Amino acid sequence: DAKTTQPPSMDCAEGRAANLPCNHSTISGNEYVYWYRQIHSQGPQYIIHGLKNNETNEMASLIITEDRKSSTLILPHATLRDTAVYYCIVQGGKLIFGQGTELSVKP
Amino acid sequence: DAMVIQNPRYQVTQFGKPVTLSCSQTLNHNVMYWYQQKSSQAPKLLFHYYDKDFNNEADTPDNFQSRRPNTSFCFLDIRSPGLGDTAMYLCATSRGDILDDEQYFGPGTRLTVT
Repeated sequence: DAKTTQPPSMDCAEGRAANLPCNHSTISGNEYVYWYRQIHSQGPQYIIHGLKNNETNEMASLIITEDRKSSTLILPHATLRDTAVYYCIVQGGKLIFGQGTELSVKP
Repeated sequence: DAMVIQNPRYQVTQFGKPVTLSCSQTLNHNVMYWYQQKSSQAPKLLFHYYDKDFNNEADTPDNFQSRRPNTSFCFLDIRSPGLGDTAMYLCATSRGDILDDEQYFGPGTRLTVT
């Protein structure tokens, strides 16, 4: 069973920041938080991952709470091409996908 | 440049007729995975190879088999496809670190069983 909880859907206006929350209250001390996304009819795409510290790359930022029980993926300037299902996964060796959040970016 | 390649992209097979899906990678990764994704569902891991070591998920039907003849290639064999095996099949690779290890996915093969 997936060890994460995400809202099933979210909307975001184009050009605005998209903040996608994820709860992972049972995370173990050595498990990373991973984010992937899946654009319709394509394979999932890795976005970012982290253990304790906040992380940033060219795609997104990942904010992990101090107790590590939740995290937020931030897409700073969402575009229409960011419309996808976003999966938050706690990885302890293999990916177990939950249902994810369907993000719709609207003009 | 394509890193994880899946062939064919679309496959139609008849009920009970064996089918093989192909995956190749140019990343020289140790691990190759196969996932099944049915319509409107999340991907579900079927099995993976760490080098030549095969690891099957407990609930993967016996109908599904896999082969990895070398580092670059991995095959998914469905011996007697049923209508319920209609799905997208995704191949992925990773370096093989236990915890700090992102996966790279191919575009998938959409299989239809008629």
